[in-house]
Amino acid sequence: EAGVAQSPRYKIIEKRQSVAFWCNPISGHATLYWYQQILGQGPKLLIQFQNNGVVDDSQLPKDRFSAERLKGVDSTLKIQPAKLEDSAVYLCASSRQGRNSPLHFGNGTRLTVT
Amino acid sequence: SQELEQSPQSLIVQEGKNLTINCTSSKTLYGLYWYKQKYGEGLIFLMMLQKGGEEKSHEKITAKLDEKKQQSSLHITASQPSHAGIYLCGAAGQGLGYSTLTFGKGTMLLVSP
Repeated sequence: EAGVAQSPRYKIIEKRQSVAFWCNPISGHATLYWYQQILGQGPKLLIQFQNNGVVDDSQLPKDRFSAERLKGVDSTLKIQPAKLEDSAVYLCASSRQGRNSPLHFGNGTRLTVT
Repeated sequence: SQELEQSPQSLIVQEGKNLTINCTSSKTLYGLYWYKQKYGEGLIFLMMLQKGGEEKSHEKITAKLDEKKQQSSLHITASQPSHAGIYLCGAAGQGLGYSTLTFGKGTMLLVSP
């Protein structure tokens, strides 16, 4: 089966600019996650969708970050305006519905804010 | 909130040697996942453990969850250059109907020829 697709792979922007990331999960996976991974750290959950509804966005900086998952498939994550500390790899993952389903990750988007 | 501490932070082993990576949780583990990450790439799922005392193996990698379910170890036998990368443990939240994971900071493994 095809894996989780993310684009772009790399993005360089200046602070205060906006940026958007796209994710296409594995077909049939109801749950979609966005994680932020800062260099040298483990991934941190930003937001989780179950189909097209948000189930956890407690760690999403809502003053600048937004995400949507239209029609319960593809998802976009947006940052507006970006700050220097947003430089990180943004990972999208998906899983089947159910507690014991492993997360499958995409290759991520590496964001550099200058 | 649950915190995972991994040790060591990094290690270099000679090809052919065995090694162990540990993951210690601040709370009881209800599901523990091991992933491997290569630089610039996403996380690759290795194994999932749920029950105290459970042990799983895949090729030369063995993972265990201790009886008290607060620590897991990942053991690699006869390491190879292909084992190099960052190993991450992730804990599933209690009572959730889905696999939201909290991750440790990772252990970087280098295998020298």
